[in-house]
Amino acid sequence: ETGVTQSPTHLIKTRGQQVTLRCSSQSGHNTVSWYQQALGQGPQFIFQYYREEENGRGNFPPRFSGLQFPNYSSELNVNALELDDSALYLCASSFPHSEAFFGQGTRLTVV
Amino acid sequence: AQTVTQSQPEMSVQEAETVTLSCTYDTSESDYYLFWYKQPPSRQMILVIRQEAYKQQNATENRFSVNFQKAAKSFSLKISDSQLGDAAMYFCAYRPNFGNEKLTFGTGTRLTIIP
Repeated sequence: ETGVTQSPTHLIKTRGQQVTLRCSSQSGHNTVSWYQQALGQGPQFIFQYYREEENGRGNFPPRFSGLQFPNYSSELNVNALELDDSALYLCASSFPHSEAFFGQGTRLTVV
Repeated sequence: AQTVTQSQPEMSVQEAETVTLSCTYDTSESDYYLFWYKQPPSRQMILVIRQEAYKQQNATENRFSVNFQKAAKSFSLKISDSQLGDAAMYFCAYRPNFGNEKLTFGTGTRLTIIP
């Protein structure tokens, strides 16, 4: 059984560009959640996908979007990058009503 | 909206001693979970312990235990026999047992273990 894996581990982008972050969920998990963790802060909920449908969204603008694929892997897309988007992006997978397992995160730096 | 507050940005403890990390939360719900997560420099969030709100008995996992006071909305973590490997950021988190079950995290406590 493989754990949650995220790619890439580090990324540097220029303000205004677009970025795609990827997450492979733990085997069999049908729910994926994305979190943004700014430096020195706790993670903030971005959105969740359950069986390929968005299942809740936090206080993030529409330029943050996502997808979940039939194999339950997921992507987080951010358009028109801003300096404040620099953060650690965490993906977590789970079954409903069960423990969430986190990946190691993607460190995004916007310059 | 639910909020989670960790009022101790940093804590330190001598190796082999006991330390308690504090957490308070606010919710109008009655059915929820509370968690303590550990985030070492590797960045991966690791679940330390969880507590179901409808269970009065405090959860225990080896050297880790919680003091859950539902009426006071308090959820502290006690680490006994502290070890060097316990050094990390510790986050308290709340999750409702309905809807999208999103996790709401506190701002974290950085725990240092003094050899």
